[in-house]
Amino acid sequence: DSGVTQTPKHLITATGQRVTLRCSPRSGDLSVYWYQQSLDQGLQFLIQYYNGEERAKGNILERFSAQQFPDLHSELNLSSLELGDSALYFCASSPQGGTGTEAFFGQGTRLTVV
Amino acid sequence: QKEVEQDPGPLSVPEGAIVSLNCTYSNSAFQYFMWYRQYSRKGPELLMYTYSSGNKEDGRFTAQVDKSSKYISLFIRDSQPSDSATYLCAMSASNAGNMLTFGGGTRLMVKP
Repeated sequence: DSGVTQTPKHLITATGQRVTLRCSPRSGDLSVYWYQQSLDQGLQFLIQYYNGEERAKGNILERFSAQQFPDLHSELNLSSLELGDSALYFCASSPQGGTGTEAFFGQGTRLTVV
Repeated sequence: QKEVEQDPGPLSVPEGAIVSLNCTYSNSAFQYFMWYRQYSRKGPELLMYTYSSGNKEDGRFTAQVDKSSKYISLFIRDSQPSDSATYLCAMSASNAGNMLTFGGGTRLMVKP
């Protein structure tokens, strides 16, 4: 167990809908990262937050947004969902915001858009 | 061309074999190199973490980084059926926070 908790584990929703994925980082970790894993694209970095502030942005769609709250948990919001958004969404955390620290992954949320 | 290339496999070996997994990359800014193991429908689990070039050993696992060739390897000695999983290499650059760029993963099957 990595210590990173993601909820829900599974989510099935219809196209056009909006969902929120939740992540609780390891105790003491200030950085949270969101990744998307699909069969054709592999693991892709979406966005990083450090101590409540956005630190880095990857190939995140405008329909997607995230935030990190004062208690350091994070939420990833996906809106106007399309079939192609079906994927595994992972959250990872690390103690600091910069390189030199290892990232630990949660078990993921499997999103299915129908 | 992807920044990090990894042979997708599957790689099938008998129990007890030495396994060699490899990645090549094109971005010379990468300084930190990691190997993750991912079981089916689970999150990636960090196995090895190395900085810059050199070797690192942890039990049955050895990670090697050759920055001059932009090539990293993971060796698994005395492979076990429980090692059957997808192995992902990941890298990050010093100016990119801890954003990881992943290879596509190699699926490994260790047969009893």
